[in-house]
Amino acid sequence: GENVEQHPSTLSVQEGDSAVIKCTYSDSASNYFPWYKQELGKGPQLIIDIRSNVGEKKDQRIAVTLNKTAKHFSLHITETQPEDSAVYFCAASRYETGNQFYFGTGTSLTVIP
Amino acid sequence: GAVVSQHPSWVICKSGTSVKIECRSLDFQATTMFWYRQFPKQSLMLMATSNEGSKATYEQGVEKDKFLINHASLTLSTLTVTSAHPEDSSFYICSANDRGEFYGYTFGSGTRLTVV
Repeated sequence: GENVEQHPSTLSVQEGDSAVIKCTYSDSASNYFPWYKQELGKGPQLIIDIRSNVGEKKDQRIAVTLNKTAKHFSLHITETQPEDSAVYFCAASRYETGNQFYFGTGTSLTVIP
Repeated sequence: GAVVSQHPSWVICKSGTSVKIECRSLDFQATTMFWYRQFPKQSLMLMATSNEGSKATYEQGVEKDKFLINHASLTLSTLTVTSAHPEDSSFYICSANDRGEFYGYTFGSGTRLTVV
């Protein structure tokens, strides 16, 4: 089955700096890679996603890059703000398996004002 | 956007009792919903896939007789934790997406279950 690894597990940055979270996956057939933000005591919220036919996607301060050959994808947050502090999860999925998501282990991001 | 409503947000129950958690898609129909379990500071672990009108598919190691899933309509799936024990205490989360739409799954707000 799919195995998703996520690094780092914790990340602290100064407000205004950039944050990068990296994930690798094992199943070359995975074709959809979402990123979720989870605040304490709440369910995950989709913040950005990328499909395997695209190498990069950007939405304001958030961007995701995908390298299919190396089987890794990354989340980039620029101009970080204190409200960006949360746990971020990457996931990999393959449509043919009924949309089952395989999640990374999470990154706790702290933005220091 | 799509909204998934999950209730209750938290529940405390005594050992041996059963607890039902509801997951509703408010503005769309969901043929498939997923139930996850999350322990503190850990990732989401898929428990089962709930399919409207048919039996749920459980992940390996998840007791189907203990975690009863019912998906009787296109907008509602329920998870019942039967004969709950303290080790069942966890954060349970459901997710769903628009029928026929592969991308952009929406998660519910989660249910914090504490068994005492």
